[in-house]
Amino acid sequence: DSGVTQTPKHLITATGQRVTLRCSPRSGDLSVYWYQQSLDQGLQFLIHYYNGEERAKGNILERFSAQQFPDLHSELNLSSLELGDSALYFCASSATGGSGPLGDTQYFGPGTRLTVL
Amino acid sequence: SQQGEEDPQALSIQEGENATMNCSYKTSINNLQWYRQNSGRGLVHLILIRSNEREKHSGRLRVTLDTSKKSSSLLITASRAADTASYFCATDIISSGSARQLTFGSGTQLTVLP
Repeated sequence: DSGVTQTPKHLITATGQRVTLRCSPRSGDLSVYWYQQSLDQGLQFLIHYYNGEERAKGNILERFSAQQFPDLHSELNLSSLELGDSALYFCASSATGGSGPLGDTQYFGPGTRLTVL
Repeated sequence: SQQGEEDPQALSIQEGENATMNCSYKTSINNLQWYRQNSGRGLVHLILIRSNEREKHSGRLRVTLDTSKKSSSLLITASRAADTASYFCATDIISSGSARQLTFGSGTQLTVLP
């Protein structure tokens, strides 16, 4: 158990809908990262938040947004869902923002499996 | 595009044998990490090797890093059936300013036969 929790575990919804995925980082970790894993794209970095502020953006669609709250939990909002958004969505946390010269370890949650029908 | 590419894509060995997986990457890195993923489950961090390190051990795992060749290898010794999983390398690069991100390879599917 990594200490990172994600809810829900599974989500099935229809095209055009909006969903919210939730992540609670390990106790004391300030950074939250979101990733998408699909068969055709592999594991793709979406976005990184550090202590409530957006730190880096990866391959995140404009239909997707995220935020990190004062208690450090994070939510990933996916809207106008398309069939191609079906994937496993992982969040990870790390102690810092990796701001040191050599980075730090990311600990992954169990993921949310999103199925768009 | 993927920063890290693992080779082979799939590997099947007998229990007790050693498994070696390789990872190549394209840009300069701060560190390289190896993760394991059981089918449909979350990723488990195995080991992190910093750019100024050449070799690191953790239990039955041995990781090497050659920054001149932009490559890394993961060796699992005395493999067990429970080692069956996908293994990913991830490179820690500075994406813009001081921001960082992990970029994952496509993974090696390891099957250890009892």
